[in-house]
Amino acid sequence: QKEVEQDPGPLSVPEGAIVSLNCTYSNSAFQYFMWYRQYSRKGPELLMYTYSSGNKEDGRFTAQVDKSSKYISLFIRDSQPSDSATYLCAMSNNYGQNFVFGPGTRLSVLP
Amino acid sequence: ETGVTQSPTHLIKTRGQQVTLRCSSQSGHNTVSWYQQALGQGPQFIFQYYREEENGRGNFPPRFSGLQFPNYSSELNVNALELDDSALYLCASSMRLAGGFPYNEQFFGPGTRLTVL
Repeated sequence: QKEVEQDPGPLSVPEGAIVSLNCTYSNSAFQYFMWYRQYSRKGPELLMYTYSSGNKEDGRFTAQVDKSSKYISLFIRDSQPSDSATYLCAMSNNYGQNFVFGPGTRLSVLP
Repeated sequence: ETGVTQSPTHLIKTRGQQVTLRCSSQSGHNTVSWYQQALGQGPQFIFQYYREEENGRGNFPPRFSGLQFPNYSSELNVNALELDDSALYLCASSMRLAGGFPYNEQFFGPGTRLTVL
């Protein structure tokens, strides 16, 4: 079993839809949970970061962490074509010394 | 504020050769991490340098080595290249405070795409 699992997609949704992206993990020591967005031929850029369990909202993005289930989610409201990218979850158990990434979900938002 | 830059953008090498990739960290950052991202996969942690010393290493063989310089820029060296080393190599910089906060946001560069033939 991989340390972090993520549905690779591709996921296609119409513009304006609510998108749900998810990751599961096996290492209970993870405390920091991140979501990155990666456009083609670019490096990942941080969207959201959460410490321990709970929810965090930033504009159209909401991140949820359920440590008891080892499950994290990213919700995108009112999705836009510019949201089309690969979304990577990442986790760490310390100073961000070793981020463990999921394989990424490729999202297409169709106009 | 200058972002993370990497050079070269693309590189083609043959099996058995050696390669050096370079990274300039974001202004004010003292920590650099290197990742390997194979096509269709998430980045995999290679190692991290903090104040010129290796500060953690992922599951990569010793032929992957690195350096961090006093200005906090960094190099990744790969010896005896194998076909499976073909990937996007990402550098990420962050500011780690002494005694510091538990989380330090990593800022990624655009990557160097290495092809091994």
